[in-house]
Amino acid sequence: EIVLTQSPGTLSLSPGERATLSCRAGQSVSYSYVAWYQQKPGLTPRLLIFGSSNRAPGIPDRFSGSGSGTDFTLTISRLEPEDFAVYYCHQYGSSPGTFGQGTKVEIK
Amino acid sequence: EVQLVESGGGLVQPGRSLRLSCKFSGFSSGFSFGDYAMTWVRQAPGKGLEWVGFIRSKAFGGTIEYAASVTGRFSISRDDSESIAYLQMTSLKTEDTAVYYCARGFGSGWISVGYLDTWGQGTLVTVSS
Repeated sequence: EIVLTQSPGTLSLSPGERATLSCRAGQSVSYSYVAWYQQKPGLTPRLLIFGSSNRAPGIPDRFSGSGSGTDFTLTISRLEPEDFAVYYCHQYGSSPGTFGQGTKVEIK
Repeated sequence: EVQLVESGGGLVQPGRSLRLSCKFSGFSSGFSFGDYAMTWVRQAPGKGLEWVGFIRSKAFGGTIEYAASVTGRFSISRDDSESIAYLQMTSLKTEDTAVYYCARGFGSGWISVGYLDTWGQGTLVTVSS
């Protein structure tokens, strides 16, 4: 099983600032098959990024993903009020699929 | 628009069984339910997401994979004619208490389990005496 470790656990930022979230895998993820999801309290997770860097349909271009091998990053270029949420990375290149423990982006 | 609707959650005693259903509806660019892998994910109260298991489409053998935490107790199946996926849970433990989501595993194949582009609203399972 590939263990994913997200950092930091909590990111305190102000609207308009840049957010950089990290996801590190315990071993290389096949084909960079990493996705990122956003989850707001009481709501279902929403797909943001797949294949490390591909935005899902309808996702604003302030969200971008990068990385390969064992290191992956989600960047939010300028935080909007609706972006404060918990973000999870997910590797789907091999079974079992695994999630990181999440990064909470909160308003400073 | 593709929709997934889970049902079957509730309060159950430790050691008992429960079966969850996930009904697929909607039209998606000529594809049907049977073309996709279906995945189950759970989230314990106040915790993160945990991948539970998935079932491949028939095109990839309809094979099933499980997380170690549920292997031997949970089983996943599908009825493509009814567009429903199931999660049968047996020997339930208090630590199985969670919201259970089904999700479409897009892009899955022989190796990849697919990313989750469409999620149901979740159904709460509470295991308590």
